[in-house]
Amino acid sequence: AQKITQTQPGMFVQEKEAVTLDCTYDTSDQSYGLFWYKQPSSGEMIFLIYQGSYDEQNATEGRYSLNFQKARKSANLVISASQLGDSAMYFCAWSGGSNYKLTFGKGTLLTVNP
Amino acid sequence: NAGVTQTPKFQVLKTGQSMTLQCAQDMNHNSMYWYRQDPGMGLRLIYYSASEGTTDKGEVPNGYNVSRLNKREFSLRLESAAPSQTSVYFCASKEGPRRRNPYEQYFGPGTRLTVT
Repeated sequence: AQKITQTQPGMFVQEKEAVTLDCTYDTSDQSYGLFWYKQPSSGEMIFLIYQGSYDEQNATEGRYSLNFQKARKSANLVISASQLGDSAMYFCAWSGGSNYKLTFGKGTLLTVNP
Repeated sequence: NAGVTQTPKFQVLKTGQSMTLQCAQDMNHNSMYWYRQDPGMGLRLIYYSASEGTTDKGEVPNGYNVSRLNKREFSLRLESAAPSQTSVYFCASKEGPRRRNPYEQYFGPGTRLTVT
């Protein structure tokens, strides 16, 4: 079974600084996708960024980028120029197999300080 | 285009009561999923439906049943609620694999369920 590990239960960052949230995964599949979701205190799941296992370049979406190191099975999220509104829980997730089920890590609570 | 909708938003049940959580999507997606989220945890898959007419168990199916009523709707039923089923329940849907990103799931707003 696939396993997603997020080793940072909580992270703090100063406003306008960059922060990296760690994610490692364990899979024997060759074709898969990696995701990051944001969950603010209001509770909804907000899709941030996606990386396909065969994508050669790291994914970027505005201030979000995914540092994908396939050999290390690592998919870290980098948030540049942090904003107060970035304070939330962040989940890394893996998807693949025949039914594309998502497997989530336990999350990292990011707090952005003014 | 409402995306994925869930009803109700909040529910309190007594132990042993039954209820059905409703989920509908208007994006003509083939696959639908039910997840639960417990405090301090990521989401865990309860059941999924890869296409209309099919359902399969996920990681934590015990105590639940599902119905894929049609392509739009996927319901989750608790026959005899237990305090261990206190959780936030998310429904999600996904298109078929033809898109560039074949994996992305679209989430509903969640249902917060408390069983006393």
